[in-house]
Amino acid sequence: EVQLVESGGGLVQPGGSLRLSCAASGFTFSSYAMSWVRQAPGKGLEWVSAISGSGGSTYYADSVKGRFTISRDNSKNTLYLQMNSLRAEDTAVYYCAKDARISDILTGYYLGWGQGTLVTVSS
Amino acid sequence: AIQLTQSPSSLSASVGDRVTITCRASQGISSALAWYQQKPGKAPKLLIYDASSLESGVPSRFSGSGSGTDFTLTISSLQPEDFATYYCQQFNSYPPLTFGGGTKVEIK
Repeated sequence: EVQLVESGGGLVQPGGSLRLSCAASGFTFSSYAMSWVRQAPGKGLEWVSAISGSGGSTYYADSVKGRFTISRDNSKNTLYLQMNSLRAEDTAVYYCAKDARISDILTGYYLGWGQGTLVTVSS
Repeated sequence: AIQLTQSPSSLSASVGDRVTITCRASQGISSALAWYQQKPGKAPKLLIYDASSLESGVPSRFSGSGSGTDFTLTISSLQPEDFATYYCQQFNSYPPLTFGGGTKVEIK
């Protein structure tokens, strides 16, 4: 059974940093591209970033480019999101999501989501 | 970036009703469209991929159709457990991957 467990969320001041983690189990982690998708309170889904299975390719939404960095450690079956220069508009539940198809490259739709971790940016 | 416009943004329906949700892309995306269901406090769940392929384990009352710029999600006979918010998502062109604004299906 696919399990994705996010951690690392919390309250941070504007301009601060956080690192989110997503521990994966139940599948061959390195065989799937992974993504981060966020959802602001009461709002819709917003794709944030993605990374290929090998980690060689990364993709970002314009809203986070230059501030967020996605990475993965395939030896630890863990996905990360380093978030710097946080803004109030980054407040959201952050989900990690597993690509639906086995492939190093990003397929771009998701079969397998974590439960989410809440990031609140406020002074 | 490709924009997805869902309509309606919300609807009220009764158990047993046929429900149709529309998703329109700002440019052609072939059949690279997925539909998700999300219940309050929960992660999204994949229902349909490649515009019309039913994900394993999803009830057959859910169906998807369309290609190019116009897509629909249909629930043939609404069940109590189907009251939720539904999102379309395109994966034809990235970055960015994009989601529609969502359609909330409520009980009449």
